[in-house]
Amino acid sequence: QVQLVESGGGLVKPGGSLRLSCEASGFTFSNYYLNWIRQAPGKGLEWVSYISSSGTTISYADSVRGRFTISRDNAKNSLYLQMNSLRVEDTAVYYCARDRSNNFDYWGQGTLVTVSS
Amino acid sequence: QSALTQPASVSGSPGQSITISCTGTGSDVGSYNLVSWYQQYSGKAPKLMIYEVSKRPSGVSDRFSGSKSGNTASLTISGLQAEDEADYYCCSYTVLGWVFGGGTKVTVL
Repeated sequence: QVQLVESGGGLVKPGGSLRLSCEASGFTFSNYYLNWIRQAPGKGLEWVSYISSSGTTISYADSVRGRFTISRDNAKNSLYLQMNSLRVEDTAVYYCARDRSNNFDYWGQGTLVTVSS
Repeated sequence: QSALTQPASVSGSPGQSITISCTGTGSDVGSYNLVSWYQQYSGKAPKLMIYEVSKRPSGVSDRFSGSKSGNTASLTISGLQAEDEADYYCCSYTVLGWVFGGGTKVTVL
């Protein structure tokens, strides 16, 4: 069965960095676009970034462009999000989600990132 | 990338039908038939309920249906059940990526 498992969240100070990982199983990882989507505590969903199946096409939300970098390793069935210059407003649960033809059909359980001094 | 507009809350009695609206612009909802809807229980990951405006994934009840007119998409839940009480989010493709609605809390009275 399809599984997406995020890791790497934690507490970090403003201006700090963190790298999230998402390990996938149960499907042919290299065939799918993947996304990071976040949800601040008590708030709605916010799309963060996507990466194409080969990793050649990438897009970011305005709120993270220039600070976050999405990448993938198809040999390791893994998706990453390098987050630099973190701000308090980046505090959220970060989900990785599989893109099955322009919709998010599988989601991980999420990993909590807390940015606080 | 402004969020799509959804009502904050919608309620209904068991057996009734409710509709959640999702209003965007000509740059997102109005331009693409790539609107999807997600159900989220508290503390859980979202679940895909509708994709491409009106298609249901395998395993999703046919009580859930979607539609679109102009810049507004809608999710209708028919025969409301207690288990439908959750948050619902719409999402649309845009040329820059994806945009979600603010979410609607559905309460079953």
